[in-house]
Amino acid sequence: AQKITQTQPGMFVQEKEAVTLDCTYDTSDQSYGLFWYKQPSSGEMIFLIYQGSYDEQNATEGRYSLNFQKARKSANLVISASQLGDSAMYFCAMTIRTNAGKSTFGDGTTLTVKP
Amino acid sequence: EAQVTQNPRYLITVTGKKLTVTCSQNMNHEYMSWYRQDPGLGLRQIYYSMNVEVTDKGDVPEGYKVSRKEKRNFPLILESPSPNQTSLYFCASSNYNSPLHFGNGTRLTVT
Repeated sequence: AQKITQTQPGMFVQEKEAVTLDCTYDTSDQSYGLFWYKQPSSGEMIFLIYQGSYDEQNATEGRYSLNFQKARKSANLVISASQLGDSAMYFCAMTIRTNAGKSTFGDGTTLTVKP
Repeated sequence: EAQVTQNPRYLITVTGKKLTVTCSQNMNHEYMSWYRQDPGLGLRQIYYSMNVEVTDKGDVPEGYKVSRKEKRNFPLILESPSPNQTSLYFCASSNYNSPLHFGNGTRLTVT
């Protein structure tokens, strides 16, 4: 079975600073994908970034980057130059290649950006 | 516009009264799935489908049914809703190894 752990229920960051949201995962599969999603207070779920287990380079998408440490089974999201609009709930999620319909989510981290 | 459409957005019902939440996607995605979101518990997968007529249980399937008769539609059925099924529900679709596209959610209250 797969498991995602997000140990930070809530985080605060000052506007324009960088912040790291932690995610650790557990799976016995060698081939899997890791995703981060953002959920603003309006409720919709927005895809941010993806990392494949065989990708050698850390994924980046604009101000978002994924610090992927395979041996430690961690996939932390780094947001650079935080903006007030980054205040939201963030979810880490995983799918495994052998059962790609099955997705496992963490409990989420609520990020608050302070002006 | 590529989207996943869920209806209704809000639903209040009483214990035991059968209900269906509809979900439709226009992206020709192979995979579709249902999740419930409860405070402090993240998103938990209820059921998922890999293709037409192929469905499987997620982590919390008890009390729910699904069907996938057409590729674009994946309704969630609560045959006899109970108060512990009060939650925010999301439908999502995707292709293999690609991000989930979510609907806007359905907030269900069972009294």
